[in-house]
Amino acid sequence: SQTIHQWPATLVQPVGSPLSLECTVEGTSNPNLYWYRQAAGRGLQLLFYSVGIGQISSEVPQNLSASRPQDRQFILSSKKLLLSDSGFYLCAWSVGIPGGYTFGSGTRLTVV
Amino acid sequence: GDSVTQMEGPVTLSEEAFLTINCTYTATGYPSLFWYVQYPGEGLQLLLKATKADDKGSNKGFEATYRKETTSFHLEKGSVQVSDSAVYFCALFTGTASKLTFGTGTRLQVTL
Repeated sequence: SQTIHQWPATLVQPVGSPLSLECTVEGTSNPNLYWYRQAAGRGLQLLFYSVGIGQISSEVPQNLSASRPQDRQFILSSKKLLLSDSGFYLCAWSVGIPGGYTFGSGTRLTVV
Repeated sequence: GDSVTQMEGPVTLSEEAFLTINCTYTATGYPSLFWYVQYPGEGLQLLLKATKADDKGSNKGFEATYRKETTSFHLEKGSVQVSDSAVYFCALFTGTASKLTFGTGTRLQVTL
């Protein structure tokens, strides 16, 4: 079966510290992968998407970066976190139905 | 560019009441339309979809009809339950952009 794993579930980090969130998918190959952020009281903002290994498209200029070192692995990173990076980060993949995404369970990041 | 507008929440209803959550969109081309649901502390789940005008998507008692003439995709349910309490997101997908554009979400709270 096709599954998506995202970790950690929660994270509290100090301002200026680095960040690494990982997302992996199983049971599929060559998926489109996405990172979204949901800030408190706001909707979903697309941060990055990838259509293949090493291919990253950035939607919003910001303090974050993404990488796809393997077909089914998608990593969200930051060298120095800001308070404004706090939010709920969601990884998603799409293969098959255009627009039919499967989301991970999310990581709640609090920058203090 | 593509955009989705949802009614402001929160929406508070008593159990067994009728639900309508309005959604309108702006898009170039012919988008596919989706409703996603997010239960507390979880990621998003695909609720229903419609890929062309006049299609009706349905799932778990929820329905939405793709209305091209009014560029709308309103979500309805005849009798809500407490377990339907969640945040509902309307979204569109166009092949040219190859990504989902979400509305800001509408929180539904159902009480006994």
